[in-house]
Amino acid sequence: DQQVKQNSPSLSVQEGRISILNCDYTNSMFDYFLWYKKYPAEGPTFLISISSIKDKNEDGRFTVFLNKSAKHLSLHIVPSQPGDSAVYFCAASAPGAGSYQLTFGKGTKLSVIP
Amino acid sequence: DAMVIQNPRYQVTQFGKPVTLSCSQTLNHNVMYWYQQKSSQAPKLLFHYYDKDFNNEADTPDNFQSRRPNTSFCFLDIRSPGLGDAAMYLCATSRVPLPTDTQYFGPGTRLTVL
Repeated sequence: DQQVKQNSPSLSVQEGRISILNCDYTNSMFDYFLWYKKYPAEGPTFLISISSIKDKNEDGRFTVFLNKSAKHLSLHIVPSQPGDSAVYFCAASAPGAGSYQLTFGKGTKLSVIP
Repeated sequence: DAMVIQNPRYQVTQFGKPVTLSCSQTLNHNVMYWYQQKSSQAPKLLFHYYDKDFNNEADTPDNFQSRRPNTSFCFLDIRSPGLGDAAMYLCATSRVPLPTDTQYFGPGTRLTVL
C-alpha cells in the first residue's frame, strides 16, 4: 500500500513557464514533507521541505504548498529552466519513537524544454 | 568534493553468491542509511545506523545485513542474492536521525543478479 503517491510519472514544461509537481499521501500521521531532486547517475539531493504547521514554504524559484485536508502537496517551479530537468521525489515522515523513516513516492520526471 | 561515495557504481553477481556494497562519507555524520530502489519504484529504507546502533526496518528481509566498522564506512551485505534483489542501492547520511535533518545521498550502486 503506497502511502505517498506521485501519480504523474512524467511532466514536460516549456522553459520559462511554471512547473507543478503533485504528491498525495494517505497517512494522516505524516507531519513533515520533503522534495528531492535526482539527476541521472547521481543520488537524490534535498530541495525543499515543509512542516505540517505551515501551508506554504518558498525558496527562490521553488515553492511547496501543503493542503492537509486534501492530503496533498505540490511543488511549484517558477520560472522553469532546462537545468531543472530531473526526477523529483516527494517524501514524508511521521513522528514516533524510532520512526525516522522517510516514505518516498515513485518520482515524477520533469523535462523542461528550451 | 564527494561527500557520500558508493563503490562500486555497478555490481554484477550471480544468483546466491554473496555480495557486499560499500558506502563511505566525508561529512562525519552520525547516521548512515541504506535504501533499495527497484525500477520505477520509490526508494525504500532497509535499515540505518545511528552511531553504532543498528536499526532494522520491520520488513527488511534477513538476507540483507549491514556493518558499520567506523563513522566513515558502512557496508550492505546480501547473503544470498535472488533475482528480486536486483535494484539500485542508495546510501545516505545525516547528522541526526530526524526527518528535519537533511539526508545526503550517494550516487547509488546498481546491482544486477544473473
